[in-house]
Amino acid sequence: TQLLEQSPQFLSIQEGENLTVYCNSSSVFSSLQWYRQEPGEGPVLLVTVVTGGEVKKLKRLTFQFGDARKDSSLHITAAQPGDTGLYLCAGAIGANNLFFGTGTRLTVIP
Amino acid sequence: DAGVTQSPTHLIKTRGQQVTLRCSPISGHKSVSWYQQVLGQGPQFIFQYYEKEERGRGNFPDRFSARQFPNYSSELNVNALLLGDSALYLCASSLIAGATDTQYFGPGTRLTVL
Repeated sequence: TQLLEQSPQFLSIQEGENLTVYCNSSSVFSSLQWYRQEPGEGPVLLVTVVTGGEVKKLKRLTFQFGDARKDSSLHITAAQPGDTGLYLCAGAIGANNLFFGTGTRLTVIP
Repeated sequence: DAGVTQSPTHLIKTRGQQVTLRCSPISGHKSVSWYQQVLGQGPQFIFQYYEKEERGRGNFPDRFSARQFPNYSSELNVNALLLGDSALYLCASSLIAGATDTQYFGPGTRLTVL
């Protein structure tokens, strides 16, 4: 059982489309991170959000932390084939425990 | 600079056997964490070590153990392997202990239990 549920589980879109991935939990997190993982590799950190309501932008990616620090979203504008991968959210509870979500596998079709 | 390295890359074992996985952190990083990623799921936290001491433990049975050496490298041991232990085992290093410190992941060791 994983504390963080991501939706959708799978997403296949055309190049240029926009998309949003959601990360939800009933638990409160001290911070939340988003990673992207490609086949045969470990996850790579994209962003860390700490404050409830915080919004961070990374080029075409916009990350938001929910006001209650229980949920987060990742919005990608004008998706490109290079955005293809497994997107993982991860929430921190306590000092040392990081809990990953179930993952969203994104495929961007050229 | 070299990233996090893990060995072996792939491993096949049979039920009941024991396995040892190895991880070398990024130079200067003192903390190592281990995660299990079953196919189709996100990674699950197993252990975190900092300065050779266990700083965190996930919800895994006692068959799983780990240690960190003076050079900050780490080993993960799994005894009495079960079919359900088949997974990608990821190691991550960070400068300090703590879930919010940026963790850098290695490519993982793919363990198959037959």
